[in-house]
Amino acid sequence: DTAVSQTPKYLVTQMGNDKSIKCEQNLGHDTMYWYKQDSKKFLKIMFSYNNKELIINETVPNRFSPKSPDKAHLNLHINSLELGDSAVYFCASSQGLAGPPYEQYFGPGTRLTVT
Amino acid sequence: RKEVEQDPGPFNVPEGATVAFNCTYSNSASQSFFWYRQDCRKEPKLLMSVYSSGNEDGRFTAQLNRASQYISLLIRDSKLSDSATYLCVVITPYASYGKLTFGQGTILTVHP
Repeated sequence: DTAVSQTPKYLVTQMGNDKSIKCEQNLGHDTMYWYKQDSKKFLKIMFSYNNKELIINETVPNRFSPKSPDKAHLNLHINSLELGDSAVYFCASSQGLAGPPYEQYFGPGTRLTVT
Repeated sequence: RKEVEQDPGPFNVPEGATVAFNCTYSNSASQSFFWYRQDCRKEPKLLMSVYSSGNEDGRFTAQLNRASQYISLLIRDSKLSDSATYLCVVITPYASYGKLTFGQGTILTVHP
């Protein structure tokens, strides 16, 4: 059974389009995250949700909007895609953020290419 | 100064070698520390937590130096399968939560 799943795995789209990436975890975790890993392999947190509530919103453009319909799902919608959005986007979950354990379980990633 | 900094490498070592990586962090209030491993085109996975007194898991030893604000990972008797990117992770207080920050990763290649 996949603990953290993401769809789609690959996404190729043109500049200016709007796209969504979906994430689901079946671990019963309270906290979910979106990370962006750029071409230099630097993994940077974008958002963190705890029990559907937005906790961390790093300096991410407004074009990125996360949505958490329930604590098992965290989707990422991106408006007006730009070339610089090309990256691998990882979803992750953990039991919580208020204390240990902090172990993150990552999804397989969505490789987004904007042309 | 970056919140979490690692030597990106790459480190190229022969099988059987011992290799060590360091990771420095800037926030003295940091409370928890981890090493993750990421294989090529895969997601990161937890390798081990880093405890104050240092800890060992088989060939891997992690240490924390709070005074100098760094953590280290030592790999003994390197295997080909150890080739990966090693990411250090630091948890710092953020409101009533902890915020995770990843280092940029250190690339290790073990060759025959």
